[in-house]
Amino acid sequence: SQQGEEDPQALSIQEGENATMNCSYKTSINNLQWYRQNSGRGLVHLILIRSNEREKHSGRLRVTLDTSKKSSSLLITASRAADTASYFCATDVYTNAGKSTFGDGTTLTVKP
Amino acid sequence: DVKVTQSSRYLVKRTGEKVFLECVQDMDHENMFWYRQDPGLGLRLIYFSYDVKMKEKGDIPEGYSVSREKKERFSLILESASTNQTSMYLCASSYMSERDRGGSPLHFGNGTRLTVT
Repeated sequence: SQQGEEDPQALSIQEGENATMNCSYKTSINNLQWYRQNSGRGLVHLILIRSNEREKHSGRLRVTLDTSKKSSSLLITASRAADTASYFCATDVYTNAGKSTFGDGTTLTVKP
Repeated sequence: DVKVTQSSRYLVKRTGEKVFLECVQDMDHENMFWYRQDPGLGLRLIYFSYDVKMKEKGDIPEGYSVSREKKERFSLILESASTNQTSMYLCASSYMSERDRGGSPLHFGNGTRLTVT
């Protein structure tokens, strides 16, 4: 069963615009992670946010976590064509991050 | 940088063959995982291991087995390949997270796209 669900499934924007992707989950979590996957490649870890954190930044990425609503969002500011990829959220319900449960992902297309 | 290496990018096998997918990581990670990725189904966990010679079933272990004889190597075995095992297989590793109690990110290989005909 899938714990995380991303929304929207697909997003198309122009270079320079901001992109926002959302993730909802069902059960209490220890942490939530966001990953990027370029076409035909493995996933690359972007940000991990713990259940006691509300917001985290990394470069042009901003992640928020609302445990009361069981949801998270990933904001990519000033998007570039190179940001074109699929983005996945993953949730861990154990302290030892391992059995991460992934959603279906959001496919982001950034047009130059 | 952590490197997770999967032995093949593409594999084509026949139904009924025994298939070995190999994965090696170079960062002394305790945890290793095998996922499969299918359109519309996301990533699903097949098996994982927290230590040498240790294995635990994930969400979809049927038709698969694993082997972890050395800390750096985690093999996925399809005992008798079937067409419904055609998929992208992703190996990942992570360190045991008690160090900071907050969880540790997964480091993925580039995947093996397996086609069973």
